[in-house]
Amino acid sequence: DIQMTQSPASLSASLGETVTIECRASEDIYNGLAWYQQKPGKSPQLLIYNANSLHTGVPSRFSGSGSGTQYSLKINSLQSEDVASYFCQQYYDYPPWTFGGGTKLELK
Amino acid sequence: EVQLVESGGGLVQPGRSLKLSCAASGFTFSNYYMAWVRQAPKKGLEWVATISTSGSRTYYPDSVKGRFTISRDNAKSSLYLQMNSLKSEDTATYYCARQNTMGTPDYFDYWGQGVMVTVSS
Repeated sequence: DIQMTQSPASLSASLGETVTIECRASEDIYNGLAWYQQKPGKSPQLLIYNANSLHTGVPSRFSGSGSGTQYSLKINSLQSEDVASYFCQQYYDYPPWTFGGGTKLELK
Repeated sequence: EVQLVESGGGLVQPGRSLKLSCAASGFTFSNYYMAWVRQAPKKGLEWVATISTSGSRTYYPDSVKGRFTISRDNAKSSLYLQMNSLKSEDTATYYCARQNTMGTPDYFDYWGQGVMVTVSS
């Protein structure tokens, strides 16, 4: 099974700041990676797929990059509505489809 | 608009059974793989089950294999999860999710609001 490791587990940032969250796979996943946002008390929502493609309706301040085993999610100009937990997920090799442990983003 | 609405959650004793349902609308249900993903309280996401478009193929992680059964009724645009021999570690919010199916099932592009399952005596 492919293991997904996210970092950091939590972070605190100021409004307008740029934030980067990392996700590392235990082996090459050939850009088979998605990012999800989960706001408090809500269900997860797809942000990014294929490592760098923005899902319908997602603001352009969100972007994804990476290759091989290393991927990242960047949020430019942090907004208050971006306070949430973020999860990565690999779908290159399945089953199982596996998620990272999550990153909790709070406002400083 | 894609909508997924789960039902059937609740409090159940260890060793007992529970069946979850998910009503889908806003898309051609029979064209998509469907899945269940769960989240234990204050924990991360765990994939629980996936079913192919026709229902002929199902996939489970080792943690639920042999205890959970995913099924679907394409005529009713409905997805189900039969959970048997429930354990305390099955306590979680269960989400119904559509899997993007461009050739192979991959990411989860739409999610329901979730239903809570609590396994406790």
